[in-house]
Amino acid sequence: SYELTQPPSVSVSPGQTASITCSGDKLGDKYASWYQQKPGLSPVLVIYQDTKRPSGIPERFSGSNSGNTATLTISGTQAMDESDYYCQAWDTSTAVFGGGTKLTVL
Amino acid sequence: QLQLQESGPGLVKPSETLSLTCTVSGDSISSRTYYWGWIRQPPGRGPEWIGSIYYSGSTYYNPSLKSQVTISVDTSKNQFSLKLSSVTAADTAVYFCARLWYSAAGGAPTFDYWGQGTLVTVSS
Repeated sequence: SYELTQPPSVSVSPGQTASITCSGDKLGDKYASWYQQKPGLSPVLVIYQDTKRPSGIPERFSGSNSGNTATLTISGTQAMDESDYYCQAWDTSTAVFGGGTKLTVL
Repeated sequence: QLQLQESGPGLVKPSETLSLTCTVSGDSISSRTYYWGWIRQPPGRGPEWIGSIYYSGSTYYNPSLKSQVTISVDTSKNQFSLKLSSVTAADTAVYFCARLWYSAAGGAPTFDYWGQGTLVTVSS
């Protein structure tokens, strides 16, 4: 079965750029979505179709996808961005999620 | 504003069937732009897609759960439901319902709205 791999944790200083990666076989040939989840709450879509931001998501969130790696980039990271982030892609009509990355802003 | 609300028992005994319903408000479940789906998240782990359904009743399931899962839709009540049979402790998780949006411009669908989730514990 298809797998998406994320680093368990990423740390960033306030105001700096955070990059969270998601790796999977030929992931660049698929579309990646990214979800932000704060403790006790449901996931929120922040990026879809690799690079698109839903309405209401700040411009500091951006995405890319090439080769075997999709990347979520948060520019000018703020304390409120501290969350778990999950990537997701489709493989033969099956939705697959990554294991998640805890972003710490310190 | 779209809202999805999960409902059902919070405790299910091993070997029994887990049953949950998602009530959709603020939009019609019969909209041709969307599928509707169930996703679960075991404590401390990432989400796992269970399956999705179209208003017509067309379904597709996660192959790893397909033998246990039935998803159905009731357009008259604007609801869709999940049944997961023969549960074990491994099925303990927060269960979310979500809207699966297909862009008219094409590309892969995405889960754009999620319910608040409901914790289901499998224990005797």
